[in-house]
Amino acid sequence: QSVLTQSPSTSGTPGQRVAISCSGSSSNIGRNTVNWYQQVPGTAPKLLIYNNNQRPSGVPDRFSGSKSGTSASLAISGLRSEDEADYYCEAWDDSLNGRLFGGGTKLTVL
Amino acid sequence: QVQLEDSGPGLVKPSETLVLTCNVSGDSISTYFWNWVRQPPGKGLEWIGSVYYSGSTNYKDSFRSRVTISVDTSKNQFSLTMNSVTAADTAVYYCARERRRMIRGDLSIWLDSWGQGTLVTVSS
Repeated sequence: QSVLTQSPSTSGTPGQRVAISCSGSSSNIGRNTVNWYQQVPGTAPKLLIYNNNQRPSGVPDRFSGSKSGTSASLAISGLRSEDEADYYCEAWDDSLNGRLFGGGTKLTVL
Repeated sequence: QVQLEDSGPGLVKPSETLVLTCNVSGDSISTYFWNWVRQPPGKGLEWIGSVYYSGSTNYKDSFRSRVTISVDTSKNQFSLTMNSVTAADTAVYYCARERRRMIRGDLSIWLDSWGQGTLVTVSS
């Protein structure tokens, strides 16, 4: 079964660096690029990282993405209170011929 | 800058048909792929399907039998029709624009602009 697996939650203190992982398989992350979205509760998702490590205009360079094999990671440095949100990874899956989202990771800033 | 505004009924009865529309402004719909994504209360994002301006569609397997996504280029909008809804279809539905680009030989695909979301409740 094609799935993207994320840890349900993580936390950090202001100024800290946190990493959120996304594990997939050869039919999705292993073959295709990974995107990351940030969703503040009650609002629509916002594109954070595309093509594994590219930031859209307006996204601070505190956010960075990487991919290795069938896994990807989103790193947030200099953590701020406004970073508290849900983060979703996403990739195309060749077996499903469709888009897959990870289950999401809830980031709490303590 | 493109803006997407999704709209539709907030309440639908079980077994009835849900119709949502996404109005696109600030860009022509005749350029990109357009998607629908939903999010049940307290849960994660789920891709439903997409449409190209030509009318070509792609659906998640679990929706294929009861979902139609269509595009109206004259109105610069696209729509989602879902038949035989149940309580499990209660969710916030988002429309989104898909970008595609060849980057260093690889096709990169992402959703760069989203509508605000419409909460649809299925209940009698």
